[in-house]
Amino acid sequence: EVQLVESGGGLVQPGGSLRLSCAASGFTFSSYSMNWVRQAPGKGLEWVSYITSSSSDIYYAGSVKGRFTISRDNARNSLYLQMNSLRDEDTAVYYCARGARGMAYFDYWGQGTLVTVSS
Amino acid sequence: EIVLTQSPATLSLSPGEGATLSCRASQSVSSYLAWYQQKPGQAPRLLIYDASNRATGIPARFSGSGSGTDFTLTISSLEPEDFAVYYCQHRSNWPLTFGPGTKVDIK
Repeated sequence: EVQLVESGGGLVQPGGSLRLSCAASGFTFSSYSMNWVRQAPGKGLEWVSYITSSSSDIYYAGSVKGRFTISRDNARNSLYLQMNSLRDEDTAVYYCARGARGMAYFDYWGQGTLVTVSS
Repeated sequence: EIVLTQSPATLSLSPGEGATLSCRASQSVSSYLAWYQQKPGQAPRLLIYDASNRATGIPARFSGSGSGTDFTLTISSLEPEDFAVYYCQHRSNWPLTFGPGTKVDIK
């Protein structure tokens, strides 16, 4: 069974940093691209970042480019999101989502971790 | 950036009725469009990919159609568990974007 479990969310002040983690199991992690998708409270979905299976290609949404860094450790079956210079508008549930084979869609999702940016 | 627009914002229907949801792209995305279902407190679930392909385990009452800029998600006969929010998403280029969602609620 595919499982994605996010951790690392919490309350942080504006301008602060946070590192999210996603632990993957039930599939060959090193064979799949991975993504972070977020959802502000009561709002819709926003794609944040994508990383290929080998980390050779990485993409970011314009709203986070230069502030967030996606990475992965295939030996540890883990995905990460380093978030710096956090803003109020980064408050959201952050989902880890597996890339569907060969396509930039999201076929499995974690349950999400809440990041709250507030003073 | 490709903007996806969904209509209607809310669809009020009864169980057993059919539902037709629309997604329009600001420029052609070919057939590179997916549909997701999200229930309150849950992560989204992939329903349809590349406009018309059902994802693994998705019931046949869900179908997708369209290409270019206009797409449709059809639910042939609503089951109680189908009342949820539905999002479209393209993969035509970067950045990936989602539509704002259509809420299907019980009339």
